[in-house]
Amino acid sequence: GAVVSQHPSWVICKSGTSVKIECRSLDFQATTMFWYRQFPKQSLMLMATSNEGSKATYEQGVEKDKFLINHASLTLSTLTVTSAHPEDSSFYICSALDRGRTGELFFGEGSRLTVL
Amino acid sequence: QQQVKQSPQSLIVQKGGISIINCAYENTAFDYFPWYQQFPGKGPALLIAIRPDVSEKKEGRFTISFNKSAKQFSLHIMDSQPGDSATYFCAAGGAAGNKLTFGGGTRVLVKP
Repeated sequence: GAVVSQHPSWVICKSGTSVKIECRSLDFQATTMFWYRQFPKQSLMLMATSNEGSKATYEQGVEKDKFLINHASLTLSTLTVTSAHPEDSSFYICSALDRGRTGELFFGEGSRLTVL
Repeated sequence: QQQVKQSPQSLIVQKGGISIINCAYENTAFDYFPWYQQFPGKGPALLIAIRPDVSEKKEGRFTISFNKSAKQFSLHIMDSQPGDSATYFCAAGGAAGNKLTFGGGTRVLVKP
């Protein structure tokens, strides 16, 4: 199946700093990528839809100024958690839509963020 | 509003047994119903998916049953193995962009 890579897989940062997470589709072009957040033993909650070359669409209750999403190319979307606080600690997962080949949604391995 | 309800929350099954997980949805606009398997610390991996034009789909030991009128679908794992121990999520999405809504997840433990 298609491969979606996330980096870093885990990161620890101090409160007040910003953290950037990258999501890459390695063997297909993804015009649409999605960012999810998952707390321990809970389900995935969609944060935003990222479309290449345009502004992201955020779900209700997600602060767009706190979670900056950039989808500058067909293979890369980034999520920046700005001024991170301990409550932002979570597992962030991206997915990419392979429209051209399978029409399926492929998930990255996730990025564990811990804010001290 | 929880649009996809999944049950049970957890499940213990003996090796060789059948694991059954159920999901119900509310939005009749959904037309894509995938199941994902997630191991701790990893992202979800697509297991099997179905669209409303069929009532059942089988891939290996995994079968989806779909009841459009009841707005329900289920995953059956036949001949369950210890390696199947994971969290399983159902999801539902519309045709445009595959924006998915996930169920709450079911933690499956297969005992040897």
